[in-house]
Amino acid sequence: GNSVTQMEGPVTLSEEAFLTINCTYTATGYPSLFWYVQYPGEGLQLLLKATKADDKGSNKGFEATYRKETTSFHLEKGSVQVSDSAVYFCALTPSGGYNKLIFGAGTRLAVHP
Amino acid sequence: GAGVSQSPRYKVAKRGQDVALRCDPISGHVSLFWYQQALGQGPEFLTYFQNEAQLDKSGLPSDRFFAERPEGSVSTLKIQRTQQEDSAVYLCASFPLKRERTGELFFGEGSRLTVL
Repeated sequence: GNSVTQMEGPVTLSEEAFLTINCTYTATGYPSLFWYVQYPGEGLQLLLKATKADDKGSNKGFEATYRKETTSFHLEKGSVQVSDSAVYFCALTPSGGYNKLIFGAGTRLAVHP
Repeated sequence: GAGVSQSPRYKVAKRGQDVALRCDPISGHVSLFWYQQALGQGPEFLTYFQNEAQLDKSGLPSDRFFAERPEGSVSTLKIQRTQQEDSAVYLCASFPLKRERTGELFFGEGSRLTVL
C-alpha cells in the first residue's frame, strides 16, 4: 500500500540554524510528493511539491528533492526563523486517480530566538 | 471569507450522542474531501465527493460515519452513537478541478470533536 514515514519530533532549533526533516515513502508507480505546513491556529497549507523524480520543489526558502532511488523527499532550509515554527507534514498522491493525499504523522518544529 | 469554512469549530459530545459537522467549501470547487486527524497524527482520508457524488468512502471507519453533499456544495459529516475513539479533528478540504493531480487541497481549520 501507499504510506509516508517522517522523522519524529519535536525538532527544536535556534534561529538561523539549518533544518532537515526526513521523509520517506512507499508507493507503487510514480506518486507526486508534497510538504504541507500547519501554523498555530491555522489550517493546513501547501508548502511545496514535486511531481516526478529529481524534481526540486521550493518555497519560502524551503526545498525538497524527489529521490526515487531512495524513495525520499527530505525538507531542508538553510536558516530557520522563529516564524517557521509549525507542524510539517509530508504527503503523497498515488499514481493515477484523483487528488487523494496520504499524509505522514507530522513533525513539529520549534525555533527559538 | 473566501476560504473553506467549517462549523462548529469545537464540539463536545457525550458517548452515544449523534453529531453533525458542516463544511462550506470554496465556491465553485468541484472536489471535496473529509479527513480525520487524531492527536499527534497526520490526517487520515475519510471520503471524497465530486460535486454531489460520493466517489470514495473507503476511509470511513465504520457504518456510524456518514457523509453527504446533496447539492454539490455544502457537505455534512455525521457520526452516530459517538465513541471515545471518534475524538479527533475533522478536516474538510476542497479543490477546483476534477482530476488534476496537483495535490493542492484547500483546507479548513477543522472541527475538533471531543467525546466524553
